[in-house]
Amino acid sequence: RKEVEQDPGPFNVPEGATVAFNCTYSNSASQSFFWYRQDCRKEPKLLMSVYSSGNEDGRFTAQLNRASQYISLLIRDSKLSDSATYLCVVNGAGGSYIPTFGRGTSLIVHP
Amino acid sequence: EPEVTQTPSHQVTQMGQEVILRCVPISNHLYFYWYRQILGQKVEFLVSFYNNEISEKSEIFDDQFSVERPDGSNFTLKIRSTKLEDSAMYFCANGQNQETQYFGPGTRLLVL
Repeated sequence: RKEVEQDPGPFNVPEGATVAFNCTYSNSASQSFFWYRQDCRKEPKLLMSVYSSGNEDGRFTAQLNRASQYISLLIRDSKLSDSATYLCVVNGAGGSYIPTFGRGTSLIVHP
Repeated sequence: EPEVTQTPSHQVTQMGQEVILRCVPISNHLYFYWYRQILGQKVEFLVSFYNNEISEKSEIFDDQFSVERPDGSNFTLKIRSTKLEDSAMYFCANGQNQETQYFGPGTRLLVL
């Protein structure tokens, strides 16, 4: 089983839509969790950390479910500029403090 | 917002040659990382560096790879004898702690 798994998509949604991504991880001892955004041929940029209590930043909400070993990202009121690949990152997934990236979920927001 | 910078932006080299990729980190951010991303694939951790020594490294980071901070500020990744499969984008990342990482724009390496 892969350490960090994501649906590659693409998720093709109209502007204004709400879209959600999930990411599953295999190591129950994983310590910390993040969502990054990566535009085509650019570097990853931290979008938000993910906490057990859930956290929200504007239109973005992240949740962690330790029991089921997944994290989620919800984007409300999608903008054209949200089009990107969203990377799930788990620290400690391999048993040590090494960040493990998922392959990413592609989001395309169209007019 | 402070930025991580990397040089060169692109490098083309012959198989078997040595390459050195350079990163200028954010001042006072003491955690350093190198990642690679082969075209179309996921970002892969190579190595982390703190307090002038390697703290973690992956299976990819074999004897062909080395890292150092030659002048106490810049952070370099050396590949001693490049192979075709080393062709990838190499990202340097930097942070004040192990949680938050700022990525540089990357160096695209092509090995012929």
